Amino acid sequence: DAGITQSPRHKVTETGTPVTLRCHQTENHRYMYWYRQDPGHGLRLIHYSYGVKDTDKGEVSDGYSVSRSKTEDFLLTLESATSSQTSVYFCAISGSGTLDGYTFGSGTRLTVV
Amino acid sequence: QKEVEQDPGPLSVPEGAIVSLNCTYSNSAFQYFMWYRQYSRKGPELLMYTYSSGNKEDGRFTAQVDKSSKYISLFIRDSQPSDSATYLCAMARGGGGSNYKLTFGKGTLLTVNP
Repeated sequence: DAGITQSPRHKVTETGTPVTLRCHQTENHRYMYWYRQDPGHGLRLIHYSYGVKDTDKGEVSDGYSVSRSKTEDFLLTLESATSSQTSVYFCAISGSGTLDGYTFGSGTRLTVV
Repeated sequence: QKEVEQDPGPLSVPEGAIVSLNCTYSNSAFQYFMWYRQYSRKGPELLMYTYSSGNKEDGRFTAQVDKSSKYISLFIRDSQPSDSATYLCAMARGGGGSNYKLTFGKGTLLTVNP
């Protein structure tokens, strides 16, 4: 996906361990978002950022924290991973002024065992 | 009641058929209405978006929004096997500049058979 990269693409981790997912953009967009996608729930917003060091909670923020120290990077941290956080995580960016610029990354598939 | 309802299907049609995908919503504050296509193990890609009510056409795709009924539709004409994917409706409130916090439906899995 042009302009937005997520890493890692896949991760398996143990319950109780901390995990950090990274979203990197080259579009210089102001807004960045983390969503999770689960069967039967669709995509749900976890956290979002409206600038460097400016973040806010979304619909399903419990158990997650985020940080944005640079425009291009938005990190999602699971402080102590649980099996309920097994999911596919998508990062999105926005900032061109229209929804045409709302772009999703390719996703990180996280499994907590 | 969830804010956005979408029948998950699955929906299976023959090649060349007209496909109708629909979502209903409950929050009258939604101003932007979007359709995303998601292929297996890929991120969602924006197909079309509409501001407020009305129709929008782009090639074989037509999006319709009826705010009075809180109902949106996506029509695909002359469907092709390459259209086989999950289709997600999404909505956003207005007034946030470029800050769009999207609320999604669950997605409808579409298969177009050759």
